[in-house]
Amino acid sequence: DTGVSQDPRHKITKRGQNVTFRCDPISEHNRLYWYRQTLGQGPEFLTYFQNEAQLEKSRLLSDRFSAERPKGSFSTLEIQRTEQGDSAMYLCASSFTLLNYGYTFGSGTRLTVV
Amino acid sequence: AQTVTQSQPEMSVQEAETVTLSCTYDTSESDYYLFWYKQPPSRQMILVIRQEAYKQQNATENRFSVNFQKAAKSFSLKISDSQLGDAAMYFCAYRSNGDDKIIFGKGTRLHILP
Repeated sequence: DTGVSQDPRHKITKRGQNVTFRCDPISEHNRLYWYRQTLGQGPEFLTYFQNEAQLEKSRLLSDRFSAERPKGSFSTLEIQRTEQGDSAMYLCASSFTLLNYGYTFGSGTRLTVV
Repeated sequence: AQTVTQSQPEMSVQEAETVTLSCTYDTSESDYYLFWYKQPPSRQMILVIRQEAYKQQNATENRFSVNFQKAAKSFSLKISDSQLGDAAMYFCAYRSNGDDKIIFGKGTRLHILP
């Protein structure tokens, strides 16, 4: 276990389709975060989990977005009825409860909605 | 709400020279953490350096150092002896000790000129 893994790396989908991304955090990390990064912008917080509990959701996370972390290990982020505005890099990160050392990020999933 | 501002969208520096990236932030909190993250092209974001607000001493990590001015809410990153591998997007980031998410600036793209 060498880091945070995200799958797939790239996803191209047609507008209106559903997509699901997966994130596998560092195994001993109990917190898992989802961020979205659009071109020319910094990462924007979407949601985070402590173990299996989803503790906070951003207002950026519309009803079309849902995230789960069913067993406190991997997490999925689903986008229903995708729109062109959903095109972005979706970043996953994990950490211990104490964030003094920041997050460890995955390589991201780049979503393109056509 | 806390905000992080990076006023330099792009910068260039000659290889082996020193460059300083600027960052300011806005917060009413007194206990927080500041970070600089590096995002190389098509690669994952990694933590470069961090600073606890309660520490007066500026953090240093090899060729990377910060100038933390708490009263001015300024947190600049100095890269000494710039190397080609330093070329990347650099994000300044903030986390309040009472919050669980990190807030990022929009980033500065650093070019290293050979």
